[in-house]
Order: sequence, then C-alpha cells, then structure tokens
Amino acid sequence: SSELTQPPSVSVSPGQTASITCSGDKLGNQFASWYQQKSGQPPVLVIYQDSKRPSGIPERFSGSNSGNTATLTISGTQAMDEADYYCQAWDSPIIVFGGGTKLTVL
Amino acid sequence: QVQLQESASGLVMPSQTLSVTCAVSGDSVTNGFYSWSWIRQPPGKGLEWIGYIYQSGDTYYNPSLKSRLTISLDRSNNQFSLKLTSVTAADTAVYYCARGPVLGDLQYFDSWGQGTLVTVSS
Repeated sequence: SSELTQPPSVSVSPGQTASITCSGDKLGNQFASWYQQKSGQPPVLVIYQDSKRPSGIPERFSGSNSGNTATLTISGTQAMDEADYYCQAWDSPIIVFGGGTKLTVL
Repeated sequence: QVQLQESASGLVMPSQTLSVTCAVSGDSVTNGFYSWSWIRQPPGKGLEWIGYIYQSGDTYYNPSLKSRLTISLDRSNNQFSLKLTSVTAADTAVYYCARGPVLGDLQYFDSWGQGTLVTVSS
C-alpha cells in the first residue's frame, strides 16, 4: 500500500467509543501500526501488528485490519486520549504513514 | 530501556547540507534485531518516513529523498546519522530518530527520540 488515507478529524464524547480508519490498497495484506502524538511530544506506539498492544498501553486501545481498511478503536475514551493518531504500514522496503487524524474529546 | 537523542544544528542555509545525529543508549546499533530510522514532521503537518539502516549497513530510503540522502552507522560511538544535501525550506521539520524491530514482514517503531527542529533559512 503506497498511500494511506485517514480522516482529518474525529470527535467523540467522553466515555464513548472512537474509531479511526486508515485506508490503503490491499492494506489487509500488510500489518498496520498506530501511533499517538500529543502536542509537542514524539509519537508513541499504541498498536502494532494490526492488534497488539505494547506494554503500558491501556486495554481500551484496540486495532483491526481487513480488506483495504485498518481501524483503531478507543473504548471508553478519556480526555487524555485527545491527540493526533497516525497509521503506518510497511510495503517492503518502504514505510508509509497515513496523514494523521486529530481526535477531539468533546 | 533504550533512549534515543537527536542532535543537530538548528539552522541550515538553503542549498547546504543538513546533518542530524542520533545517540543511542540502553541498546546497541549493532543489535541485529532492530533497524534504525529517521522520520520527520514539518511544522503543523504529518509524519514522513525518511529512511532506515540495519546493523549490516544496508540502507533503505524514501524514494522522494533518495537522491539527496545518506544514512550511516557509527558503531564505535553507538549512534547513527542522517545527511540531506541541497536543502530547501521544504526540508524544515522536526527530525526524529527511532528504533524498529526487525520481524520479517513487519516494520514499526517502538522507541522514538524527542526530536530536533531543523530550520532551513537564509
């Protein structure tokens, strides 16, 4: 997948479920990763290999990937989850990032 | 716990060469389980992958930057570096170094530096 498309923004109410999509040609045939970036900070890995959570990432973060779309889901969204989120895939040997989605917790 | 720290001159003149170094602690750049990458982020914009290097010295570059780019390893000082030639204002960005597990058909970044802002301006 040489290009990954994300919605520019997603809004969610506290306690509700947020879903952020990432679309790319045959993305489901690759592994997707997701990063959270808060203002002025480096990105932090929140999901890798489609659905695995690194140590220290809350269980409310989950991921899936099928067909042409990978999805990051945040259950019971908290105010602290407000950030930019980026998807990433590896189209060997090239690495591709999505354009990013700003998650607003209203 | 691995730590990565970028260092660079903050201001580069147009047409000159941009250089950034990433000092690694808590791991070795000769660790064959990881690749060592550069990613940049222009102010207010998204992430752009620049390239990565393996402990073997093999490199892979973003095709859009390949003609101007060199990534190298300094094993004796446990660091890796980026050089980008013929820079323009479009190369102004926060430059991040990152570590990526080598897992066959999977590549991602599990540790990042804090980033360093490089501005191209006369």
